[in-house]
Amino acid sequence: AQSVTQPDIHITVSEGASLELRCNYSYGATPYLFWYVQSPGQGLQLLLKYFSGDTLVQGIKGFEAEFKRSQSSFNLRKPSVHWSDAAEYFCAVVARGSQGNLIFGKGTKLSVKP
Amino acid sequence: DAGVIQSPRHEVTEMGQEVTLRCKPISGHNSLFWYRQTMMRGLELLIYFNNNVPIDDSGMPEDRFSAKMPNASFSTLKIQPSEPRDSAVYFCASRRGLETQYFGPGTRLLVL
Repeated sequence: AQSVTQPDIHITVSEGASLELRCNYSYGATPYLFWYVQSPGQGLQLLLKYFSGDTLVQGIKGFEAEFKRSQSSFNLRKPSVHWSDAAEYFCAVVARGSQGNLIFGKGTKLSVKP
Repeated sequence: DAGVIQSPRHEVTEMGQEVTLRCKPISGHNSLFWYRQTMMRGLELLIYFNNNVPIDDSGMPEDRFSAKMPNASFSTLKIQPSEPRDSAVYFCASRRGLETQYFGPGTRLLVL
């Protein structure tokens, strides 16, 4: 079945440390891939997206993500986390050839220690 | 750009009452989506419209839920009668063509 998996429900990192949030998908063909961030009490904001081309995608707020076809993964990274990055992060996909509906993972909550 | 606008931001009501959530999409966007977010089920697509026409409402939980889009700049999601299990955050999102979806700030609904 088609699915998006974020295996980590909650991650805690120290401020200044590096971050990697995992996302795996299960689709017949590579879907369009997205990462959204949701700060407490807020809506979802797009961090970055991958449609085709360069597999390393740069986004806002210093985030990047790398598409790895062999691993069906689209992991989100940031070299140095700031306290303001504490939020929930959602990986999402749109199946190619579909009507373009986003399918979301369950989310990963990021906490940042001082 | 004002972004997607939702109202109210918070709603507290009693079981059995009618609830109406409102959404104004970004100008020029021709698709509109309603989502529900709960701790248990995460983000779920309820319904989406394309050019004001409902395309897929398979995510609507039951007949108590209805959605309309009378014009390109306004949509409503109605729950009648409301139940405590409807308590959630409801998001509206809009999109132009097959481009990125942009989300509103959400409506936090609590049904007592």
